Amino acid sequence: NAGVTQTPKFRVLKTGQSMTLLCAQDMNHEYMYWYRQDPGMGLRLIHYSVGEGTTAKGEVPDGYNVSRLKKQNFLLGLESAAPSQTSVYFCASIAGQKSNQPQHFGDGTRLSIL
Amino acid sequence: DAKTTQPNSMESNEEEPVHLPCNHSTISGTDYIHWYRQLPSQGPEYVIHGLTSNVNNRMASLAIAEDRKSSTLILHRATLRDAAVYYCILRAYSGAGSYQLTFGKGTKLSVIP
Repeated sequence: NAGVTQTPKFRVLKTGQSMTLLCAQDMNHEYMYWYRQDPGMGLRLIHYSVGEGTTAKGEVPDGYNVSRLKKQNFLLGLESAAPSQTSVYFCASIAGQKSNQPQHFGDGTRLSIL
Repeated sequence: DAKTTQPNSMESNEEEPVHLPCNHSTISGTDYIHWYRQLPSQGPEYVIHGLTSNVNNRMASLAIAEDRKSSTLILHRATLRDAAVYYCILRAYSGAGSYQLTFGKGTKLSVIP
């Protein structure tokens, strides 16, 4: 049981390049989240999804887009990468909100923008 | 949004109990208190959660004050593997059918052999 898997694990981009981060979960979870974590800081929510085909903005959505075409996948896109987007990105999922269940996190994608 | 306050860092000797405090004086009646921890170079990991009553699981215990304005995560016997950043989080309804976790900076726990 893989849980939450993020690809790639590391990436270096040049300013202005685009890329997509993939999050896949095999637990049939409804809700998925993208966070970023800067050095010495806690996680900040970028975007989230409450189900297939839905997305919503979190605390720091600017410069990012997301898509949830399949229930098991949540994609995070950077259309024109900026050095301020250098960070560690974490994906998380949760079964639902009716029961008070924990979020399951991936191991992160370390992204550097030069 | 309700916020939490935690010490920046704490130290503990190996095999000793550890009490990690958290203040959440603006907690609302429906907010759950969650604790997560983050080991170096890993994603956060769920530890425990509670609403009003003290809770125990295989990893830790959670003691919640009667007025719910503070809580304490208790690790009964710290091991080297428990060295991590511990986050106390209030899980609150954020609209659109979603509950969100708002992470602060957490408490960095160091375990001394």
